[in-house]
Amino acid sequence: QVQLVQSGAEVKKPGSSVKVSCKASGGTFGSYSISWMRQAPGQGLEWIGRFIPFLDITNYAQKFRGRLTITADKSTGTAYMELRSLRSEDTAVFYCATEGDDGVVWDSWGQGTLVTVSS
Amino acid sequence: DIQMTQSPSSLSASVGDTVTITCRASQTIISYLNWYQQKPGKAPKLLIYAASSLQSGVPSRFSGSGSGTDFTLTISSLQPEDFATYYCQQSHSMPFTFGPGTKLDIK
Repeated sequence: QVQLVQSGAEVKKPGSSVKVSCKASGGTFGSYSISWMRQAPGQGLEWIGRFIPFLDITNYAQKFRGRLTITADKSTGTAYMELRSLRSEDTAVFYCATEGDDGVVWDSWGQGTLVTVSS
Repeated sequence: DIQMTQSPSSLSASVGDTVTITCRASQTIISYLNWYQQKPGKAPKLLIYAASSLQSGVPSRFSGSGSGTDFTLTISSLQPEDFATYYCQQSHSMPFTFGPGTKLDIK
């Protein structure tokens, strides 16, 4: 099974950007899709987008289009999530997760990265 | 977007009990329904996929059923480590959406 390790917590000012990394080990990077989710404090889970390396396709949830970029560096086995024009409502834990062989089913998760947006 | 609802939103039970959590989709999702368990400060963990398939390594006391718009997660003979929040998630169409969660705590 794939193991995912995310970058550390970030504190950002409103209007700035954040870039979170997700390094994969085990499995063959590029053979599985990587999704990103977020979870605001005390709230539920929200899918924000994914990268499908073998098709070189990125999908974004409508509400994040224009502010979100998901990329991957196959040479290092690392995926990235960049969110721009941050606002306080973006304060959340961001998770990366890989899809298994059974469709959009997230069977391996990173440990989560807390992004705090505060002036 | 497909809206997911769960009931109850919270549930109190005792070790050894059997509990059932219900998830409903706003339109048919066939069997594209997954269940996750999340403990405080931890990432979610996949329990059930495709409505009724048990993820490898997950105890058999967890089971899922349903199709179309209505689904259930049943946990038999609750163990202390089962007290957590449970989320359903549809993988039928983007955006992939989660239910609001059911918090299971000890009575």
